[in-house]
Amino acid sequence: DTGVSQDPRHKITKRGQNVTFRCDPISEHNRLYWYRQTLGQGPEFLTYFQNEAQLEKSRLLSDRFSAERPKGSFSTLEIQRTEQGDSAMYLCASSFLGQGAGETQYFGPGTRLLVL
Amino acid sequence: AQSVTQLGSHVSVSEGALVLLRCNYSSSVPPYLFWYVQYPNQGLQLLLKYTSAATLVKGINGFEAEFKKSETSFHLTKPSAHMSDAAEYFCASKRGSNYKLTFGKGTLLTVNP
Repeated sequence: DTGVSQDPRHKITKRGQNVTFRCDPISEHNRLYWYRQTLGQGPEFLTYFQNEAQLEKSRLLSDRFSAERPKGSFSTLEIQRTEQGDSAMYLCASSFLGQGAGETQYFGPGTRLLVL
Repeated sequence: AQSVTQLGSHVSVSEGALVLLRCNYSSSVPPYLFWYVQYPNQGLQLLLKYTSAATLVKGINGFEAEFKKSETSFHLTKPSAHMSDAAEYFCASKRGSNYKLTFGKGTLLTVNP
């Protein structure tokens, strides 16, 4: 079990640039989640995939954000025309549907984004 | 809508002292409850979870939590703090078959030698 991995771990960009983050879930997990964590706050839900289908997007996910999970394995989160308010830690988590309603979400190390 | 409240954004204890981190949930139906720990610049690691099987839940690293429906609480405790316990702790809830976690704002635990 190699755990959830995320790449890059850190990203510094200038306002207006596009950025893309990658998440590789635990191999047998069919559910994948993205959360955003700002300083002094707990993680907030952004979006959720079951296999390759994106089943829900939070209102936090503006039109500048897009997430994909093309083959039901890894996922990407893209932010277009970044703004300083996008600076945060972006966390990916995965879980296995079938574990039951109390299924555990396993988190990756996160990608810390700083928009200058 | 469900919510999670963590009382105390910062708790400081001495090494060897009792650790008590408070969490209250707001839900018409008892949710599933989780405690996660986050070390600096790392992701979240599950400490323990409540899934209605037992009200007293034991987790990793000597932590445990007790679900109290009458108090809508799920406080995290550890009898004796260790320096390595210094981290941020998050309480989270999930309702039924809903998939997303709702987190509290976190409690930063400092352990003094």
